[in-house]
Amino acid sequence: DVKVTQSSRYLVKRTGEKVFLECVQDMDHENMFWYRQDPGLGLRLIYFSYDVKMKEKGDIPEGYSVSREKKERFSLILESASTNQTSMYLCASRGWASGTGETQYFGPGTRLLVL
Amino acid sequence: TQLLEQSPQFLSIQEGENLTVYCNSSSVFSSLQWYRQEPGEGPVLLVTVVTGGEVKKLKRLTFQFGDARKDSSLHITAAQPGDTGLYLCAGGVRRNTPLVFGKGTRLSVIA
Repeated sequence: DVKVTQSSRYLVKRTGEKVFLECVQDMDHENMFWYRQDPGLGLRLIYFSYDVKMKEKGDIPEGYSVSREKKERFSLILESASTNQTSMYLCASRGWASGTGETQYFGPGTRLLVL
Repeated sequence: TQLLEQSPQFLSIQEGENLTVYCNSSSVFSSLQWYRQEPGEGPVLLVTVVTGGEVKKLKRLTFQFGDARKDSSLHITAAQPGDTGLYLCAGGVRRNTPLVFGKGTRLSVIA
């Protein structure tokens, strides 16, 4: 059974704090992604990684950084949290399987509130 | 820029009715995935289709990938309140590139 886990379901942080969101997958997938989801705006890609130590900017990378030191773990860092980063954060991993091609799975999400 | 247009954006129906959600693009995709997301949760993968013209069934849900691999549809028969949620389609382009997501269809099934 495929599994993507995220370190927290809910987080409350203060403006200016450094925030770490962790994501772990157990499927040996090469690709991992971080999205944020806001009402009316859909899913927006922040960063993605297609290999260990590799990272690529998505559509909205400003104010975020990422780290992928191990294949199974992809971290999202908010260097200095701001109120406009209050959102639902979703991690995903994607890999290839015979019969279905490349398939992407999401974690349960982290709802972040920045005060 | 590749886009996936989902329609309708919102749908409210009575229990027992049938419905179809559409996902359209002018671009060709290598695969098409459908997800359902409940409030406060991550999207859950329902199906992946990879072959033009492919039809897959998941209980009361029928998924179809267009012959030209530019569009897809999700048909629900005899909708139930448990089908309520946000339905997302996503198209695969090539390896090591992000999926292209539609904006979603928010379905509400009233008992």
